[in-house]
Amino acid sequence: DIQMTQSPSTLSASVGDRVTITCRASQTISSWLAWYQQKPGKAPKLLIFDASNLEGGVPSRFSGSGSGTEFTLTISSLQPDDFAIYYCQQYNSYSGTFGQGTKVEIK
Amino acid sequence: QVQLQESGPGLVKASETLSLTCTASGGSISRYYWSWIRLPADKGLEWIGRIYTSGTTTYNPALKSRVTMSVDTSKNQFSLKLTSLTAADTAVYYCAREIVVPPAARGPFDIWGQGTIVTVSS
Repeated sequence: DIQMTQSPSTLSASVGDRVTITCRASQTISSWLAWYQQKPGKAPKLLIFDASNLEGGVPSRFSGSGSGTEFTLTISSLQPDDFAIYYCQQYNSYSGTFGQGTKVEIK
Repeated sequence: QVQLQESGPGLVKASETLSLTCTASGGSISRYYWSWIRLPADKGLEWIGRIYTSGTTTYNPALKSRVTMSVDTSKNQFSLKLTSLTAADTAVYYCAREIVVPPAARGPFDIWGQGTIVTVSS
């Protein structure tokens, strides 16, 4: 089973900061990776698919990169609406496992 | 734009069976994969399983022995049954649409329901 490990678990940042979250897969997953944003009491929202493709309607300050086993989600200039939990998810294998999440909190 | 709404009991007893239904509105569920995903408190997201509108299912191996999914295209609904409940099954349960583009066998989840809280009591 493919394990997904995100780092850091919690990230403290200020509005305007550049933020990077890393997701590592226990084995290669090509570019079959998605990123989601979840706010308290809300459903997760798809941000990025196929590692680097921005979902429609998602602000361009979000970007994704990587392939194989290491991936990053970058927020170029953190906005107040971006404080949330972010999850990666691999869909290379049938298990479709998620990372444990990264909480982006206000510094 | 398709919208999803989960429904079912918020409180179930340990050892019993959880039954949840997801109803789609604003579009047909046909020719898509539909998944159930849960979020236990203080933990990460866990994929439970999926069903195609033909009825073909794929389940998380960790839950496979306790999960059954079904689909009713005439009602634009799909359902989840989870048996032999324990406190570890307490979670927010989401239904979601999975976008699968060959050659990938799986895909990302682009539409989610709002989630329903399920508490398993002893």
